[in-house]
Amino acid sequence: AAGVIQSPRHLIKEKRETATLKCYPIPRHDTVYWYQQGPGQDPQFLISFYEKMQSDKGSIPDRFSAQQFSDYHSELNMSSLELGDSALYFCASSPRTPTYGYTFGSGTRLTVV
Amino acid sequence: GQQLNQSPQSMFIQEGEDVSMNCTSSSIFNTWLWYKQDPGEGPVLLIALYKAGELTSNGRLTAQFGITRKDSFLNISASIPSDVGIYFCAGRKRDSNYQLIWGAGTKLIIKP
Repeated sequence: AAGVIQSPRHLIKEKRETATLKCYPIPRHDTVYWYQQGPGQDPQFLISFYEKMQSDKGSIPDRFSAQQFSDYHSELNMSSLELGDSALYFCASSPRTPTYGYTFGSGTRLTVV
Repeated sequence: GQQLNQSPQSMFIQEGEDVSMNCTSSSIFNTWLWYKQDPGEGPVLLIALYKAGELTSNGRLTAQFGITRKDSFLNISASIPSDVGIYFCAGRKRDSNYQLIWGAGTKLIIKP
């Protein structure tokens, strides 16, 4: 069965650079969630989208933005990167009513140097 | 701050032992989810619970949705080496727009 696809798998950027992370949800899932997970931390909710509209906002910095496109894939844009942005970034998808929970991708490991 | 208290933080057990972990909150949840995360991978859903008192099994795993709707536990019976990993509880409150609130995780380590 198709899973949530995230790209790239690993990304190394320098401080003050920009990064774009991509997420392709499971077919027929119209809701996408972005999470940030620091080392030894639980996932922290950043933002979610339903039907291409932002549906909820968590602890997403103003330097980050995200959107969901007509094919339901989503992109997380990160600018003016800081060392503290180094983390695993997960995308999850679900139908609007997530009866069976959310399905997570394998994540993008971002390292800012 | 952490809205879900997950314990224990870590467990060292022998292969074959049973494992128990739980999550509690001062808030009422409509959904409890238990995930397992391997290093460098995304969390994988193990069990989902939707009704107070619900007891659900998935192989050697059993989880329950507490009657008060403020807690949940996960049991693993006869642990095996591949059970190693971090187990997270996650809950969803009513009117939360489906956002999940996460516990801090329980790290399961099996002694050789």
